[in-house]
Amino acid sequence: QVQLQESGPGLVKPSQTLSLTCTVSGGSISSGGYYWSWIRQHPGKGLEWIGYIYYSGSTYYNPSLKSRVTISVDTSKNQFSLKLSSVTAADTAVYYCARGLLYCSGGSCYVPAFDYWGQGTLVTVSS
Amino acid sequence: DIQMTQSPSSVSASVGDRVTITCRASQGISSWLAWYQQKPGKAPKLLIYAASSLQSGVPSRFSGSGSGTDFTLTISSLQPEDFATYYCQQANSFPLTFGQGTKVEIK
Repeated sequence: QVQLQESGPGLVKPSQTLSLTCTVSGGSISSGGYYWSWIRQHPGKGLEWIGYIYYSGSTYYNPSLKSRVTISVDTSKNQFSLKLSSVTAADTAVYYCARGLLYCSGGSCYVPAFDYWGQGTLVTVSS
Repeated sequence: DIQMTQSPSSVSASVGDRVTITCRASQGISSWLAWYQQKPGKAPKLLIYAASSLQSGVPSRFSGSGSGTDFTLTISSLQPEDFATYYCQQANSFPLTFGQGTKVEIK
């Protein structure tokens, strides 16, 4: 059974960088076939996709956050990480890591859904 | 960005009722649509992917249909554990986007 677990500071000061790590167990990131994603949910609100990464390092980011986001992978530790720079109160949210299914056909690839999620971690941006 | 609009925003229903939630995309997304269930304080749980494929382990009372811009999630006979918020998500193009959610409440 695949499990994902987020870790990192729950409180970040404005203008600083938010850093989170997702540790994957029950499966290897480097086995391929999945994109590893970060998704956030503002308090009482809907879901926002931040971006995802393949084990090879290939990344896709949400353009609304792209200038501030970096997602990286460490296959030796079976972890992937999120860095979000220059945070403001608007970045206060529950941050989830998730596994995205990869489907390729006819030269096109899609990540049709996220089948395993971490429990989520609340990050508050406040001085 | 593709906007995903769910209706209704909330629905009150009783155990045993048939519940239908609609999701409309602002442009065609073929069948690249997923449905999730989220309970308070918990992560979303995948129910349906590719518009109509039931995720392993999900009860058969959940079903999805649609293609292009209009999609539905149907719960054929609502059970107590189904009271939750449901989200649709398009996977056709970047950025991936979610609907605003539909809360299924006890009547």
